[in-house]
Amino acid sequence: EPEVTQTPSHQVTQMGQEVILRCVPISNHLYFYWYRQILGQKVEFLVSFYNNEISEKSEIFDDQFSVERPDGSNFTLKIRSTKLEDSAMYFCASGGDRTYNEQFFGPGTRLTVL
Amino acid sequence: AQSVSQHNHHVILSEAASLELGCNYSYGGTVNLFWYVQYPGQHLQLLLKYFSGDPLVKGIKGFEAEFIKSKFSFNLRKPSVQWSDTAEYFCAVTALLTGANNLFFGTGTRLTVIP
Repeated sequence: EPEVTQTPSHQVTQMGQEVILRCVPISNHLYFYWYRQILGQKVEFLVSFYNNEISEKSEIFDDQFSVERPDGSNFTLKIRSTKLEDSAMYFCASGGDRTYNEQFFGPGTRLTVL
Repeated sequence: AQSVSQHNHHVILSEAASLELGCNYSYGGTVNLFWYVQYPGQHLQLLLKYFSGDPLVKGIKGFEAEFIKSKFSFNLRKPSVQWSDTAEYFCAVTALLTGANNLFFGTGTRLTVIP
């Protein structure tokens, strides 16, 4: 069964450093998402991506964040200058249909900012 | 803005007990509703979903949920839980008329099933 994959599983970085989190969505899906979950809190939407551009973003997704689909398979989330409060689990999701909006989640990348 | 409330933070049950986890959402328009489960160390998996039609939806592993529009609720139920149901359960909503299709999640309910 196809699934969403994410790398790395755990990323440790120093405050102020740039990180890139990688995701490989399910191959025939068209809609891509990033969510994050700070420890002990709810899963929060960051951004959605369709047709090579951002379709929606939350207030969390400020200028420090960017997304890219550099080739036909990868979908990346970049944090330009990490802050302590960026420490969280980051989930990538993909979906094939906007109407029914079933999203399939990856296993997540745990980001720890020191 | 849309929001989702899960009032139970941690539920502890013995095996074979019945389960009901509450979920309420705030949005006046048409919604799609979901329950996701996250087993320890694993990623979010879709348990069941409601788009339209019969408000009682059945999902995997014997779970079901009932959409009650008048109560803005989508409670998850299982008649007899098993130890393997120990996990975190998340209710989620998408609000169709906003034009966006991102998921709004509740805070989650941790279920612990005691053998």
